[in-house]
Amino acid sequence: QSALAQPPSASGSPGQSVTISCTGTSSDVGGYKYVSWYQQHPGKAPKLMIYEVSKRPSGVPDRFSGSKSGNTASLTVSGLQAEDEAEYYCSSSAGSNMVLFGGGTKLTVL
Amino acid sequence: EVQLVESGGGLVQPGGSLRLSCAASGLSFNNYAMTWVRQAPGKGLEWVSGIGSTGGDTYNADSVKGRFTISRDNSKSTLYLQMNSLRAEDTAVYFCTQGLRWFVYWGQGTLVTVSS
Repeated sequence: QSALAQPPSASGSPGQSVTISCTGTSSDVGGYKYVSWYQQHPGKAPKLMIYEVSKRPSGVPDRFSGSKSGNTASLTVSGLQAEDEAEYYCSSSAGSNMVLFGGGTKLTVL
Repeated sequence: EVQLVESGGGLVQPGGSLRLSCAASGLSFNNYAMTWVRQAPGKGLEWVSGIGSTGGDTYNADSVKGRFTISRDNSKSTLYLQMNSLRAEDTAVYFCTQGLRWFVYWGQGTLVTVSS
């Protein structure tokens, strides 16, 4: 199966909002509620930011929110801060307990 | 505090084998499914293998089926990945993670380099 489609880059100024999309098919994103998002700073391990489409783990700021419509999931970062600059990856269940990741989106805070 | 510490990475020739380990602490290891995720240099994340809490159910990406085997020893709170018939495209940092459908805790990763 192919990776989920994410835009390679996104950007916004401090305080603005930015939305990153993650497009799959009815066999993955569209077919399951198990969409999650990860933040990865250079040289670090990924960090879970959103799970089950829109749930936030403890400790993740409410500036981060997730949603899904059809075969496309989205991560919105509101009130952008400098520390939000990182690579963001989506993932989704894809049947038979397999998981697909997106190709990643580099978020730049201008 | 949950800690996942990977080990066993290194340089191996094409066709060779390597076994990765992930020592877990700070969580009831035998209650949780675990997964290996890898990241090739400068590339994105790739799901590799997952295993249920008892070890009875395992799942593998097509790219590693028949070559990699995930296992666990709950008495030692340790996750393993036996990697055989290694290829250049298996070169990556291998992360140990907690979960099956989403991944809460991550180790810092261990680098596997397949090269002659």
